Amino acid sequence: AQSVAQPEDQVNVAEGNPLTVKCTYSVSGNPYLFWYVQYPNRGLQFLLKYITGDNLVKGSYGFEAEFNKSQTSFHLKKPSALVSDSALYFCAVRDRVNSGNTPLVFGKGTRLSVIA
Amino acid sequence: NAGVTQTPKFQVLKTGQSMTLQCAQDMNHEYMSWYRQDPGMGLRLIHYSVGAGITDQGEVPNGYNVSRSTTEDFPLRLLSAAPSQTSVYFCASSDSGGNQETQYFGPGTRLLVL
Repeated sequence: AQSVAQPEDQVNVAEGNPLTVKCTYSVSGNPYLFWYVQYPNRGLQFLLKYITGDNLVKGSYGFEAEFNKSQTSFHLKKPSALVSDSALYFCAVRDRVNSGNTPLVFGKGTRLSVIA
Repeated sequence: NAGVTQTPKFQVLKTGQSMTLQCAQDMNHEYMSWYRQDPGMGLRLIHYSVGAGITDQGEVPNGYNVSRSTTEDFPLRLLSAAPSQTSVYFCASSDSGGNQETQYFGPGTRLLVL
């Protein structure tokens, strides 16, 4: 079965500092990995995804994530945090093994707070 | 292009009442799904559909029914509401290109069951 772990409920970072939001996953085969962001009282917005190829994926709003197969991780990063990055971040995984569409499994979310 | 729309935005129900949460998408996506979001629980899959006429259960299907008569619409029915169903509900859709496709989410329906 697929699963995602986001080990930190809350991450606090000062504006201008680099940020990292951690994610590890478990799938039977190889993964497709996604990051979504949720601003207050809004739906989820897609940030980036890893499908294949380069392990470093660049996405919206200056975010990037690095796929590490040996550590089964897909940590979200940004070189310089903004106050407007404060939101709830979700990591999600789908198994590459199965054909067609199978459910997307989410982590429990990490709340990022960027302090001015 | 409206994307994924959900109605209503907010609803209050009494225990035992029934209601339908509406979800529609205008992107001709085959795959649609319903999630509930609860504090500290992340998003949990309720039901999903890989195309018109095909539905399947997710992680937490009890107390909910779905149907998919058209590609565009995927309503979620609460048969007899319970306080445990107080949550925020999100509908999502994606293209039929396989598991690498991005899911697009609606704005959510906030449900309070008294």
